[in-house]
Amino acid sequence: EVQLVESGGGLVQPGRSLRLSCTASGFTFGDYGMSWFRQAPGKGLEWVGFIRSKAYGGTAEYAASVKDRFTISRDDSKSIAYLQIYSLKTEDTAVYYCTRWPPRGQLGPFFDYWGQGSLVTVSS
Amino acid sequence: DIVMTQTPLSSPVTLGQPASISCRSSQSLVHKNGNTYLSWLQQRPGQPPRLLIYDISNRFSGVPDRFSGSGAGTDFTLKISRVEAEDVGVYYCMQATQSPWTFGQGTKVEIK
Repeated sequence: EVQLVESGGGLVQPGRSLRLSCTASGFTFGDYGMSWFRQAPGKGLEWVGFIRSKAYGGTAEYAASVKDRFTISRDDSKSIAYLQIYSLKTEDTAVYYCTRWPPRGQLGPFFDYWGQGSLVTVSS
Repeated sequence: DIVMTQTPLSSPVTLGQPASISCRSSQSLVHKNGNTYLSWLQQRPGQPPRLLIYDISNRFSGVPDRFSGSGAGTDFTLKISRVEAEDVGVYYCMQATQSPWTFGQGTKVEIK
């Protein structure tokens, strides 16, 4: 069974940093791209960024709104994807979801499994 | 950025009756490779999103066949042939043709 479990969220003061983890199980983690999305309280969904599998270069891309402060990485030996957030702002308050991006050659992405999410609250 | 617009934003439906959600994009979602990367997701109350449909009309594993997707270019539709109680939630369309990937505002499906 595919499982994605986010952790590392909580209450953080503005300007601080935080690292979220997404621990995967039930599939060969290294074969998949991983993406992060977020959802502010009572709001819709927003794409944050993704990281490709090593087979596709292992590179990351980000939404323009976060690219200077967010870093996505992965440890395939541990089946974990990370989202590092620097200089947190109150508007970063949201549930952060990690998702799986199945490999399919040159075809575009879709996200087949979503974690339960990790709530990050930025407040003084 | 591509803007995704869903209608209606709220859809009260009688159990057993059909429901339809429209999603329109501000520009064509046909990728230069000829494919269209439009997905539909369901978010039940208090739950994470769940993939229903990808590439316009491909139903994801385990998704009931009462859900179907259609459309092309800039206009897309999600249909539920007979709404069941478990279908209550918010439905989102999402495009992954052009970065940044963007979502519609969401359509809330509720039972009358």
